[in-house]
Amino acid sequence: QKEVEQNSGPLSVPEGAIASLNCTYSDRGSQSFFWYRQYSGKSPELIMSIYSNGDKEDGRFTAQLNKASQYVSLLIRDSQPSDSATYLCAVNSGGSNYKLTFGKGTLLTVNP
Amino acid sequence: EAGVAQSPRYKIIEKRQSVAFWCNPISGHATLYWYQQILGQGPKLLIQFQNNGVVDDSQLPKDRFSAERLKGVDSTLKIQPAKLEDSAVYLCASSSTTGTSIDFGPGTRLTVT
Repeated sequence: QKEVEQNSGPLSVPEGAIASLNCTYSDRGSQSFFWYRQYSGKSPELIMSIYSNGDKEDGRFTAQLNKASQYVSLLIRDSQPSDSATYLCAVNSGGSNYKLTFGKGTLLTVNP
Repeated sequence: EAGVAQSPRYKIIEKRQSVAFWCNPISGHATLYWYQQILGQGPKLLIQFQNNGVVDDSQLPKDRFSAERLKGVDSTLKIQPAKLEDSAVYLCASSSTTGTSIDFGPGTRLTVT
């Protein structure tokens, strides 16, 4: 059974701070990794993908991947109240025919 | 491009009744997924189609759930009979091999009373 674990949260940070979200996975054959953001009552939307070890930056978001440790993280710099949402880590074991296993999500609240 | 379409958006039924959900994926997306998301949890894959063939239905409770994807486009997911624990959001998603990930529809929120 492929498993994806996320820090349980909820996570609360002040506006302007860095939010750090973590995820570990069990399937060493996993090939690509994703962070989805889900606002309350809405469907998940993709915010970051990462395929290789190291860091990937996109605006205020940085994804980090360490395949040896089976660890993925998401950093949100200069957190804004609009970043308040549940962040879902997803791990793909299906190559280009995406087969995603999701974690339970971490609820982030950014306080003004 | 138009996103993944789902209907209905909300449904309330009594236990032991049946219900069906419909999904129309993004045009050209060969792969279609049905996920179940229970409140406070991440989405769980129920079934994955590649065109009109089933790729993975290992977590589909086949005694009560069924799904089909006729002509490799639209899909329906049916529950018969429903149980209280089926209360969840049912998310349809689609992807293409040239895409960056999967795209979700708005979901159908099912409440079983």
